[in-house]
Amino acid sequence: GNSVTQMEGPVTLSEEAFLTINCTYTATGYPSLFWYVQYPGEGLQLLLKATKADDKGSNKGFEATYRKETTSFHLEKGSVQVSDSAVYFCALSRSGYSTLTFGKGTMLLVSP
Amino acid sequence: DTAVSQTPKYLVTQMGNDKSIKCEQNLGHDTMYWYKQDSKKFLKIMFSYNNKELIINETVPNRFSPKSPDKAHLNLHINSLELGDSAVYFCASSQEGTASSGANVLTFGAGSRLTVL
Repeated sequence: GNSVTQMEGPVTLSEEAFLTINCTYTATGYPSLFWYVQYPGEGLQLLLKATKADDKGSNKGFEATYRKETTSFHLEKGSVQVSDSAVYFCALSRSGYSTLTFGKGTMLLVSP
Repeated sequence: DTAVSQTPKYLVTQMGNDKSIKCEQNLGHDTMYWYKQDSKKFLKIMFSYNNKELIINETVPNRFSPKSPDKAHLNLHINSLELGDSAVYFCASSQEGTASSGANVLTFGAGSRLTVL
């Protein structure tokens, strides 16, 4: 079946540090890949997505590249801010379906 | 205007009671979902409806019964509540189509935190 594995958190960084959150997946066919973000007390919001191999999704300074050869979709940001503190979820959906399979989430804590 | 709205936001109740959580979306989406988020933030799909028809029913106790009166609403009714039902329940919706057209993107509600005592 489909599955998503994310690095365990929390990830604790100082403001302006470089961020990487690792995500790997197992799926048949050609899934679409997503990063969602959940700020405290809120629902999930789409951060970025990629729908085919070698696509790069980007938004708000965050980037992730769909790597089929390594089945990965790592999230990166060059300089984090305190306001980036949240839980980040990697997810996939099978081709033709919207239902998402989520990773376990990685909490990011950014201190001033 | 809230795109996906859930009520109530908080619900505290005793074991054995029956409760409902309501969800409405004003996005015109075809598909709606219920997800459960446990205390460790793990998210698991419970149900998915497409145009009022059930298309996904994961391994969920039959004490949970979704109801979709129309494609803009998907309510969740829970009978005989148990301690393990305590969680945050998220409703979401999406538009079917190709991934490149923006489909497969879920819009989530703010969540309903259920506490069973």
